[in-house]
Amino acid sequence: EAQVTQNPRYLITVTGKKLTVTCSQNMNHEYMSWYRQDPGLGLRQIYYSMNVEVTDKGDVPEGYKVSRKEKRNFPLILESPSPNQTSLYFCASSLTTGLRGYTFGSGTRLTVV
Amino acid sequence: GQQLNQSPQSMFIQEGEDVSMNCTSSSIFNTWLWYKQDPGEGPVLLIALYKAGELTSNGRLTAQFGITRKDSFLNISASIPSDVGIYFCAGQVNYGQNFVFGPGTRLSVLP
Repeated sequence: EAQVTQNPRYLITVTGKKLTVTCSQNMNHEYMSWYRQDPGLGLRQIYYSMNVEVTDKGDVPEGYKVSRKEKRNFPLILESPSPNQTSLYFCASSLTTGLRGYTFGSGTRLTVV
Repeated sequence: GQQLNQSPQSMFIQEGEDVSMNCTSSSIFNTWLWYKQDPGEGPVLLIALYKAGELTSNGRLTAQFGITRKDSFLNISASIPSDVGIYFCAGQVNYGQNFVFGPGTRLSVLP
């Protein structure tokens, strides 16, 4: 089944403790992206990647890092999480053109205390 | 950057009623998408639109690409409880560019 898989689904952590949220897709998509969703703010893009070893900042990149060493994986790294990064995170992927839109993962709910 | 506005922000309707929502932008888009997000899940693509004036249906859902290319509309006919969720529009200026997402319309269906 074609899908985007995120792990974990739920995570509670403490301020300053580095964490990684993994994202993997099995559709051979070139494009991958991370979003955060907060009440009333919709989906805001954090980082995106047009292909392996190519990453760019989205609208809200501060406090986040990403890497794209393989086509299928696009992990999101929070080096020193803070409470304002408590949010619902989504990974998405698509063909380069985006013609059929993005396929989203099921989300990771992160709480930083 | 480009921004999309969605209207209404939220709506409560009775089961069986028809629903209309829209998405507007100050920019011209080449592609419009409509997504639905069920509670606790990621958004799922409902309809994709590629030409100004295009009208496309997916079951009880119908979406239109506005003539000005600055707006799009989504209608749901004869709503049912499983229509509950958040509906997002997304626009793309040119192929290969990032999609811009609207803030969403939250739909509640009362039995």
